[in-house]
Amino acid sequence: ETGVTQTPRHLVMGMTNKKSLKCEQHLGHNAMYWYKQSAKKPLELMFVYSLEERVENNSVPSRFSPECPNSSHLFLHLHTLQPEDSALYLCASSQDFGRGAEAFFGQGTRLTVV
Amino acid sequence: AQSVTQPDIHITVSEGASLELRCNYSYGATPYLFWYVQSPGQGLQLLLKYFSGDTLVQGIKGFEAEFKRSQSSFNLRKPSVHWSDAAEYFCAVAGMNTGFQKLVFGTGTRLLVSP
Repeated sequence: ETGVTQTPRHLVMGMTNKKSLKCEQHLGHNAMYWYKQSAKKPLELMFVYSLEERVENNSVPSRFSPECPNSSHLFLHLHTLQPEDSALYLCASSQDFGRGAEAFFGQGTRLTVV
Repeated sequence: AQSVTQPDIHITVSEGASLELRCNYSYGATPYLFWYVQSPGQGLQLLLKYFSGDTLVQGIKGFEAEFKRSQSSFNLRKPSVHWSDAAEYFCAVAGMNTGFQKLVFGTGTRLLVSP
């Protein structure tokens, strides 16, 4: 059983829709991450939050908007997405964000933009 | 900048046979290296990691990996593969970026296990 839970597991949205992905971690970790996993490409780090403060935005388009209201919850707000944004979005958490910290991943949200 | 290469996109192994998945990394300093596994429809699970010390590291599910600095490699091995090992395997190297860890992943190797 994973300590990182993502909802929904699957999402289909039109290009004009607004939706949100939710991630919750039950591990008492202080750092949370959003990754994008596209077919045949390495995982791409999108955002890093440490203690609810964003520490990294990896040049992600503004149509992706993260929110971290507390250390246990992380959201990814989506609006006016493009078909190429279809991918598996993975949330992860770690005890801290120092080098060597083990990342625990959720099961992901499979997003399809139509 | 750090990078990871997994040269094999797919590998098919017979059940009970041995397995080796290749990983080569590029990193300017002492690397922190990880292997993750992703089963269908699941997130990534850590199999093992290497930071320092003994270059042969043991992980979960009977996996091990050997760090070879001279070859910039961190290959994953298992002596006898089980059907449940069919999954995608990702090698990653950890660098530091503006004070936080950044994991750089390879493109993954999909393992197929034949009866």
